Amino acid sequence: DAGVIQSPRHEVTEMGQEVTLRCKPISGHNSLFWYRQTMMRGLELLIYFNNNVPIDDSGMPEDRFSAKMPNASFSTLKIQPSEPRDSAVYFCASNIFGGGRDTEAFFGQGTRLTVV
Amino acid sequence: GESVGLHLPTLSVQEGDNSIINCAYSNSASDYFIWYKQESGKGPQFIIDIRSNMDKRQGQRVTVLLNKTVKHLSLQIAATQPGDSAVYFCAENFAGGTSYGKLTFGQGTILTVHP
Repeated sequence: DAGVIQSPRHEVTEMGQEVTLRCKPISGHNSLFWYRQTMMRGLELLIYFNNNVPIDDSGMPEDRFSAKMPNASFSTLKIQPSEPRDSAVYFCASNIFGGGRDTEAFFGQGTRLTVV
Repeated sequence: GESVGLHLPTLSVQEGDNSIINCAYSNSASDYFIWYKQESGKGPQFIIDIRSNMDKRQGQRVTVLLNKTVKHLSLQIAATQPGDSAVYFCAENFAGGTSYGKLTFGQGTILTVHP
């Protein structure tokens, strides 16, 4: 398996523009997580899904952030409009919940977002 | 204005030495405690976990110790190698209710191994 695949790897956008980050989880995994990593706040959980259903979005910072998981193999995180303070590395991770390995999440390489 | 970032703890060791990385956790109800390793430019990678009803667990070159009395977790790396240089995160997992494997990460410790 190729692991969790995120795209793009790097994104530079202007303030006010819409940004869409994409994630393909590992096939067979039933949970998907979006994290944000910054020097200021470390690694924060934004939202997570189980069986394509959003379970907890309490980490989503503002209404400008939204996430979807239309099927088991694809998820998006959208920021509209983007602001400079959204600049961070965004990670997607997936795992198998209920399979005895709940603690082992597999992370993608991340998307480095820069909003100027 | 000047931004203030997290001041991550750092640990510098010589190749071949043993390393001990510490973590304090807050949620006594967590079911598992986990260590992740993050190399530069990559996502975090699972190293080892320990169930809350255990005190010690060993893996390959790594040992995790859990002290629930003082809410302390440690990761011991034997014969540290330059490839072990990374940021190490402790994480908590609460499997109850509808957490669905949700992980809460600590701030991380930077380990630098000198040849």
